[in-house]
Amino acid sequence: SQQGEEDPQALSIQEGENATMNCSYKTSINNLQWYRQNSGRGLVHLILIRSNEREKHSGRLRVTLDTSKKSSSLLITASRAADTASYFCATDRNAGNMLTFGGGTRLMVKP
Amino acid sequence: NAGVTQTPKFQVLKTGQSMTLQCAQDMNHEYMSWYRQDPGMGLRLIHYSVGAGITDQGEVPNGYNVSRSTTEDFPLRLLSAAPSQTSVYFCASRGRGNQPQHFGDGTRLSIL
Repeated sequence: SQQGEEDPQALSIQEGENATMNCSYKTSINNLQWYRQNSGRGLVHLILIRSNEREKHSGRLRVTLDTSKKSSSLLITASRAADTASYFCATDRNAGNMLTFGGGTRLMVKP
Repeated sequence: NAGVTQTPKFQVLKTGQSMTLQCAQDMNHEYMSWYRQDPGMGLRLIHYSVGAGITDQGEVPNGYNVSRSTTEDFPLRLLSAAPSQTSVYFCASRGRGNQPQHFGDGTRLSIL
């Protein structure tokens, strides 16, 4: 079973627009991580947010975490065609090795 | 610094055959994992290791074996391949604490 569920499953936007992806999960967590996967490649880590953090930034990326609602969001600002990829959230329940992934959001950024 | 290296990149097997997927990391990471990714889905954990000589089952371990004789290597063995094991397999490693996973580029496996 998947701990995290991303919403929407697919998103298509124009270059320069912002993209927002949401992730919901079911149990308590130690941290939540966002990854990007380009077609045919492995996953690349974007941001890790700990359970006691509410917001984190990295360049054009902004991640929020609401543990009371068991949800997180990933915002990509001023999107570029190169941001076209699948984005996954993953929850880590005990800072161990048991990451549980959601089904991902497929983002297409049109030039 | 190569990171996580998986071999082979592609493999076609017949039902009942066995094979080993190789994974090596050069970052001296203690933790290593194997995941499978089916079309349109996220990753599911097969087996993981928290250090040399220590392995444990993940969410979907049936039909797979692992061993961890060195820190660097974490091979995944398919004992008797079945069509349901057709998937893309990813190996990952990470350091201690709240650290992200580093992924290899995957092995695309087809079982006929």
